[in-house]
Amino acid sequence: GESVGLHLPTLSVQEGDNSIINCAYSNSASDYFIWYKQESGKGPQFIIDIRSNMDKRQGQRVTVLLNKTVKHLSLQIAATQPGDSAVYFCAETSYDKVIFGPGTSLSVIP
Amino acid sequence: EAQVTQNPRYLITVTGKKLTVTCSQNMNHEYMSWYRQDPGLGLRQIYYSMNVEVTDKGDVPEGYKVSRKEKRNFPLILESPSPNQTSLYFCASSLNFGATGYTFGSGTRLTVV
Repeated sequence: GESVGLHLPTLSVQEGDNSIINCAYSNSASDYFIWYKQESGKGPQFIIDIRSNMDKRQGQRVTVLLNKTVKHLSLQIAATQPGDSAVYFCAETSYDKVIFGPGTSLSVIP
Repeated sequence: EAQVTQNPRYLITVTGKKLTVTCSQNMNHEYMSWYRQDPGLGLRQIYYSMNVEVTDKGDVPEGYKVSRKEKRNFPLILESPSPNQTSLYFCASSLNFGATGYTFGSGTRLTVV
């Protein structure tokens, strides 16, 4: 597969454990946040989103938490599986711009 | 199937030879965008389009052109490619800007020698 980044922060978790991936965003005016998953050799794939009027949103096995006070976003993956191994990006959207974070590489240990 | 289709998937070309990377979406999305992805630099926006006949520069537009003559297509044109444009390129679309997340294409790996 193709490497999407060198020297990415890396998180290694045991299969079945929960994963938490963190992201600090930059613009206090950003009002829409998205997590993407990028597997090797593929384009980023939408996972879950949250608007600034919420602080938590749950999907299937994933939860996004938003802390506007400290401009922090996190993605929690429950019962992590080998298929969750990928690079995860946060993205913040303000009036006219989408800014992507540098990404975190998640490695699941069988 | 709802998707963003990019072609070609891989391309090796020589410096100065004009090329076009095509992008097409079948979701009637108004917003489309091109990104390049480089190791250590993440995803950087090249150009975007809010709707037909409306295009704007992103963060790294130099050396690129785009057009949006119809809603579904948003080609990326490199008039005179240079080695520093060797990169992984992604086209993305969304219903409207800021309304939903992007749907990304599968990427185009471009090498300019």
